[in-house]
Amino acid sequence: ILNVEQSPQSLHVQEGDSTNFTCSFPSSNFYALHWYRWETAKSPEALFVMTLNGDEKKKGRISATLNTKEGYSYLYIKGSQPEDSATYLCASLGLTGNQFYFGTGTSLTVIP
Amino acid sequence: NAGVTQTPKFQVLKTGQSMTLQCAQDMNHNSMYWYRQDPGMGLRLIYYSASEGTTDKGEVPNGYNVSRLNKREFSLRLESAAPSQTSVYFCASNLAGGPDTQYFGPGTRLTVL
Repeated sequence: ILNVEQSPQSLHVQEGDSTNFTCSFPSSNFYALHWYRWETAKSPEALFVMTLNGDEKKKGRISATLNTKEGYSYLYIKGSQPEDSATYLCASLGLTGNQFYFGTGTSLTVIP
Repeated sequence: NAGVTQTPKFQVLKTGQSMTLQCAQDMNHNSMYWYRQDPGMGLRLIYYSASEGTTDKGEVPNGYNVSRLNKREFSLRLESAAPSQTSVYFCASNLAGGPDTQYFGPGTRLTVL
């Protein structure tokens, strides 16, 4: 079992603010990392797949970085909008390559 | 494309009853997964099927059985439901397992009384 931790657990920001949150995973047992966006009453939707140390991915105002040596990934949202309100999940895949372990998520609320 | 579909959306069972949760995908994916979501915990893998004809246990398989009926369908069966199995169940699929993006179904909310 891989221990995947996300922080903070929840976050409230004003519209227009930029924000970031963290996903930590075991650096010694890493194959890939996924970020998902999960809106209430919907299913998780993939944002990024990251595999290489130093990876940076971007989709619109959302970007992510990966540091496999120290075992963390950051998700950044620039100029938060109310529609960004959701829970952001990360999931780490270990070296066996057959099972993702999910963090408990960061719940983001963007206040208009 | 419907993506990943699950039935039913909601279900209430009494302790000891059995039921099967159905999942189907129309994306020609090889790998399929069953997760459960409980308050304060991350999604936890129950079983997965890397390809048609194979199934393997995940992190929390006790009390469940699965069947990969064909490439499209992957069902989860509770033989004798217990209150501890009250949860939201998600099915997911991806093209070739491993690091490929997983696509999730809408979930089944199960309550066991």
